Amino acid sequence: KNEVEQSPQNLTAQEGEFITINCSYSVGISALHWLQQHPGGGIVSLFMLSSGKKKHGRLIATINIQEKHSSLHITASHPRDSAVYICAVTGRRDDKIIFGKGTRLHILP
Amino acid sequence: DAGITQSPRHKVTETGTPVTLRCHQTENHRYMYWYRQDPGHGLRLIHYSYGVKDTDKGEVSDGYSVSRSKTEDFLLTLESATSSQTSVYFCAISESSGSATTGELFFGEGSRLTVL
Repeated sequence: KNEVEQSPQNLTAQEGEFITINCSYSVGISALHWLQQHPGGGIVSLFMLSSGKKKHGRLIATINIQEKHSSLHITASHPRDSAVYICAVTGRRDDKIIFGKGTRLHILP
Repeated sequence: DAGITQSPRHKVTETGTPVTLRCHQTENHRYMYWYRQDPGHGLRLIHYSYGVKDTDKGEVSDGYSVSRSKTEDFLLTLESATSSQTSVYFCAISESSGSATTGELFFGEGSRLTVL
């Protein structure tokens, strides 16, 4: 079993829809990262959080440490949000960063 | 944007040849990482460095070596490239590790390596 699991693996939605991507992990962590990778492009850090919630524009990230679960939400989705979203955790014990396999999001106009 | 550059961005080489990828940063961050990204596997850590001349292995380190003689440069070397090392390689940096305030990751644009 992977230490970081994301769901769904693929998601297609219409422009304007509210999007939720989930991340579950099985190790103790000191931080959780949400990253974005556009097709053929580089990787950009969206959020890093260790508790509660963070918001940046139309993006919201939440984390529940007790349940070992995080969600990334996108409000009023737009075709330019189409990308792969990657969840990663920094292990509390060894500071190792473990990545999920990503969620491929496609927003249709 | 964080100042991090990778070179070369694209390389095609033959099996058995040595290859070196360079990661250069202008942020003076302590931690530097080399990852490879392959379909179905996501990002996997090859090696990382937590200071000049301080390096450690990641989960897929076999066939790779690294060196960090200066804060700003982290080199990844494939001593004898194999076809299984065909991949996209990403360098990343962070100011610290494990901190929720300073541990943000910044990635280079990637280096696509093809081993024939």
